[in-house]
Amino acid sequence: EILMTQSPATLSVSPGERATLSCRASQSLTVNLAWYQQKPGQAPRLLIYGASTRATGIPARFSGSGSGTEFTLTISSLQSEDFAVYYCQQYNNWPPWTFGQGTKVEIK
Amino acid sequence: QVQVVESGGGLVKPGGSLRLSCAASGFTFSDYYMSWIRQAPGNGLEWVSYISSSGSSIYYADSVKGRFTISRDNARNSLYLQMNSLRAEDTAVYYCARGRNFVDSWGQGTLVTVSS
Repeated sequence: EILMTQSPATLSVSPGERATLSCRASQSLTVNLAWYQQKPGQAPRLLIYGASTRATGIPARFSGSGSGTEFTLTISSLQSEDFAVYYCQQYNNWPPWTFGQGTKVEIK
Repeated sequence: QVQVVESGGGLVKPGGSLRLSCAASGFTFSDYYMSWIRQAPGNGLEWVSYISSSGSSIYYADSVKGRFTISRDNARNSLYLQMNSLRAEDTAVYYCARGRNFVDSWGQGTLVTVSS
């Protein structure tokens, strides 16, 4: 089973600032990685797949990068609606799909 | 638009059973792989089970293997999860999820609470 590790656990950012979230895999994923956003009381929402492809309707301020074992989600200028928990998920080696433990982006 | 709606959650005693359902609409259900993914209170996401579009391929997380059964009825655009021998650690919101590799549509979730 591939272990996914996200850092930091919590990221404090001011509105308008840039946020950089990291996700590390225990084995190479090539680019088979997705990112999700989850707000309190809501289901997750797909942001990025294929490590860098934005899902339908996702604003351009969200970008993904990386390959192999190291991946990054960048939010270029945080808006109030972006404060949430973000999860990465690998789909290179399955079953099982595995998720990171999440990074909470909070208002500084 | 694409929609998946779960139902069937509730309070059940340890050792009990529950059947979750997921009604799909807005897309050709029979074309899509589907999964159940759960989230324990205050915790992260855990993939539970996965079924191919035809139902011919099925996978389970080790934590539920032998206790849970996933199935689908393409004629009814529905996905199911039969949960037996429930344990306290199965307490979670269960999401119905569409996608072969990643999830592009999620339901709102249904809460399963296992407690005496």
